[in-house]
Amino acid sequence: LAKTTQPISMDSYEGQEVNITCSHNNIATNDYITWYQQFPSQGPRFIIQGYKTKVTNEVASLFIPADRKSSTLSLPRVSLSDTAVYYCLVGTIFGNEKLTFGTGTRLTIIP
Amino acid sequence: DVKVTQSSRYLVKRTGEKVFLECVQDMDHENMFWYRQDPGLGLRLIYFSYDVKMKEKGDIPEGYSVSREKKERFSLILESASTNQTSMYLCASRLTDYSNQPQHFGDGTRLSIL
Repeated sequence: LAKTTQPISMDSYEGQEVNITCSHNNIATNDYITWYQQFPSQGPRFIIQGYKTKVTNEVASLFIPADRKSSTLSLPRVSLSDTAVYYCLVGTIFGNEKLTFGTGTRLTIIP
Repeated sequence: DVKVTQSSRYLVKRTGEKVFLECVQDMDHENMFWYRQDPGLGLRLIYFSYDVKMKEKGDIPEGYSVSREKKERFSLILESASTNQTSMYLCASRLTDYSNQPQHFGDGTRLSIL
């Protein structure tokens, strides 16, 4: 099971692009990288998932280098409502569901 | 949108009581999960279920059991509640384990054991 390492916290101003990097040196061939967002008193919400290179959706982009030992979640033009905890998860799609949520990155957006 | 509903947002029970936490999903998902979330520890997997009547232990199953008699419902049972089980409990579901489908979470039950 790949262990992930993320910064504990980050601050950013409204309107800026925010990049949160996750390290996962022991990622396995079958592992996908998934990011979740969690607001206080709510369950985590799926943001984006990828295997390699770049994935983009209406909310974020995910950059994964060729060696896949890290990944970067990019949030364009953040607003106050993006203040949340962001979790990076690595796990296989083939049945092993012991996905480990770390402590996540607490992102605070400053007006 | 997938809807995962947990029966209670807040629950207060006493030490030694048997506690039931219920979770229902409305999208015919095969997989369901129970986590607990504690400050500084992130989410930790308690139990999960691949399908009806199937269950697997997660990382911290001690003191808990689960029941999945119907596909849409996954119950977490605290056999004899203790104060160290005071926590936020989160239920999640996923379509199947043979795809890259993400987990969908409920909003949690904040359980206090007095």
